[in-house]
Amino acid sequence: DAGVIQSPRHEVTEMGQEVTLRCKPISGHNSLFWYRQTMMRGLELLIYFNNNVPIDDSGMPEDRFSAKMPNASFSTLKIQPSEPRDSAVYFCASSLSSLAGDTQYFGPGTRLTVL
Amino acid sequence: AQKITQTQPGMFVQEKEAVTLDCTYDTSDQSYGLFWYKQPSSGEMIFLIYQGSYDEQNATEGRYSLNFQKARKSANLVISASQLGDSAMYFCAMREAGNAGGTSYGKLTFGQGTILTVHP
Repeated sequence: DAGVIQSPRHEVTEMGQEVTLRCKPISGHNSLFWYRQTMMRGLELLIYFNNNVPIDDSGMPEDRFSAKMPNASFSTLKIQPSEPRDSAVYFCASSLSSLAGDTQYFGPGTRLTVL
Repeated sequence: AQKITQTQPGMFVQEKEAVTLDCTYDTSDQSYGLFWYKQPSSGEMIFLIYQGSYDEQNATEGRYSLNFQKARKSANLVISASQLGDSAMYFCAMREAGNAGGTSYGKLTFGQGTILTVHP
């Protein structure tokens, strides 16, 4: 079975450019999560969807960040305009549901570098 | 207050020896899940083992076991017979059931991680 798929795996862009990260969750999973990992702040939850509906976006840093989930098999995280401090690894994860006992499975991550 | 605390920034172990990675947590929920993930140098996050708050027995998965002490709010990971490939960052995480009145909310909160180095 395919795991969580993310693209691109690496992205290098210049400050001010728009960046779009993509995620395909595991088929049948109803919950999708976007995380950001940096050395300084560790792993942070940015936003969480349940049945394609955003449940909590309190972790989204600012208005430059937006996320969508138009259907059960696709989600995007967009940064516009990007800034050097957005450089990080962005993970997408999915789980069967939002129950406490459901494991979240992570994608390989997108390493974003903003110059 | 930190919800997940991993007090060991780095640990060293000899190949074939056992090692315990510490994790303590803080929650007022009765229902929660505890998870351990491994992150090798390649960067992916690999799920290792899960323990539910109502599980009476410690979870085991191959060479991994979770030493769950609910009263002390600790969920230590034990790796038996360490292998060179076990060298990685290890994260403890907790998923709380969330508020009872609304949509169940399964936010996963991570500790800061422990870097494990296995020596030959």
